[in-house]
Amino acid sequence: ELKVEQNPLFLSMQEGKNYTIYCNYSTTSDRLYWYRQDPGKSLESLFVLLSNGAVKQEGRLMASLDTKARLSTLHITAAVHDLSATYFCAVDVSGGGADGLTFGKGTHLIIQP
Amino acid sequence: EAGVTQFPSHSVIEKGQTVTLRCDPISGHDNLYWYRRVMGKEIKFLLHFVKESKQDESGMPNNRFLAERTGGTYSTLKVQPAELEDSGVYFCASSQGVGAGVYEQYFGPGTRLTVT
Repeated sequence: ELKVEQNPLFLSMQEGKNYTIYCNYSTTSDRLYWYRQDPGKSLESLFVLLSNGAVKQEGRLMASLDTKARLSTLHITAAVHDLSATYFCAVDVSGGGADGLTFGKGTHLIIQP
Repeated sequence: EAGVTQFPSHSVIEKGQTVTLRCDPISGHDNLYWYRRVMGKEIKFLLHFVKESKQDESGMPNNRFLAERTGGTYSTLKVQPAELEDSGVYFCASSQGVGAGVYEQYFGPGTRLTVT
């Protein structure tokens, strides 16, 4: 059974600091997704990583994928309060891309002014 | 373009009652998924439709749950009879069909179900 583990599950940090969220998964996959969820809202797609070594950046967020290590990271640079949310990674092991996703438990991120 | 919509946003029912959740995917999306998040746990995959056909229902917890997607448009998820452990947030997602490439899943806002 595929397992997806995120850490940390809870993170409180100050504005301006850098931090990394880690996502480990237990089975070979070359498709990994990062989502953001604000309280009471939908999951918003942040990044889709499709191959080993993939790196994507959007603003202060950068995601990377190492399929050999079965590890993805979401790096936050110079955090700002607006990035406070819950972040999920999710893995698709089918290869075809259209199957259901397996999610991590989510990282609840609070950024203090 | 409208996103994935779900109805109702909240539902409170008593144990033993029936509840039907509805999901309207993004227009033109062939793939429709149902997920559930029980408090404190991961978001769990329930099932996947391709158009009106069930592609994968391996995540459905038991036969009290029935999902349909007549005509390949909107989908319903019925819980009958509801039990306390069915409480949680039910998410629907949709993605484009074969040949679209990325199959990025777009999620609805969820339906919060509380069984008392």
